[in-house]
Amino acid sequence: DVKVTQSSRYLVKRTGEKVFLECVQDMDHENMFWYRQDPGLGLRLIYFSYDVKMKEKGDIPEGYSVSREKKERFSLILESASTNQTSMYLCASSLVFSGYNEQFFGPGTRLTVL
Amino acid sequence: TQLLEQSPQFLSIQEGENLTVYCNSSSVFSSLQWYRQEPGEGPVLLVTVVTGGEVKKLKRLTFQFGDARKDSSLHITAAQTGDTGLYLCACLYGNKLVFGAGTILRVKS
Repeated sequence: DVKVTQSSRYLVKRTGEKVFLECVQDMDHENMFWYRQDPGLGLRLIYFSYDVKMKEKGDIPEGYSVSREKKERFSLILESASTNQTSMYLCASSLVFSGYNEQFFGPGTRLTVL
Repeated sequence: TQLLEQSPQFLSIQEGENLTVYCNSSSVFSSLQWYRQEPGEGPVLLVTVVTGGEVKKLKRLTFQFGDARKDSSLHITAAQTGDTGLYLCACLYGNKLVFGAGTILRVKS
């Protein structure tokens, strides 16, 4: 079974803090993704990576950065957390990037910024 | 305006009832995926449809891709409490997978 794990299920941070969200997949997938999920807006892509040390901006990259030093690990960084970054963050991975290929998701990290 | 419009946004029904949820767009897609997300979990792929007019069945779930490949529907027969969750459709747009806002389904016993 493909497994995507995220470092925390719940996280509470203060405005201005630097926040790291970690994601690890165990199926040797090339592609990894970070989404945020907000009610009524669905999943919105923040960043994705199709190879180690490679990254591409998604639809809402502002205020975020990412790091992919190893194939199995993809980190999302909030440089200076703000209250409007309170959200559910989902990590996903896929073997091939296409509309036919399944994305496997982690359980999500619910981040609250106070 | 979202690329994929899902309706209804929320549906609450009794166990045993039938229901249909919709995913519509003005764009044509080469494929469309349906995911289900249970409370506290990430989305899980249910099906991918690729051919206009295609119908796929997964036990009590029936998925249809419109003839023009602009829309899709998910029909659930005799809903069970275990069907409760958020149903998301998704398509490849450019180099990104784009999701609809989802339909929240609550099945009451």
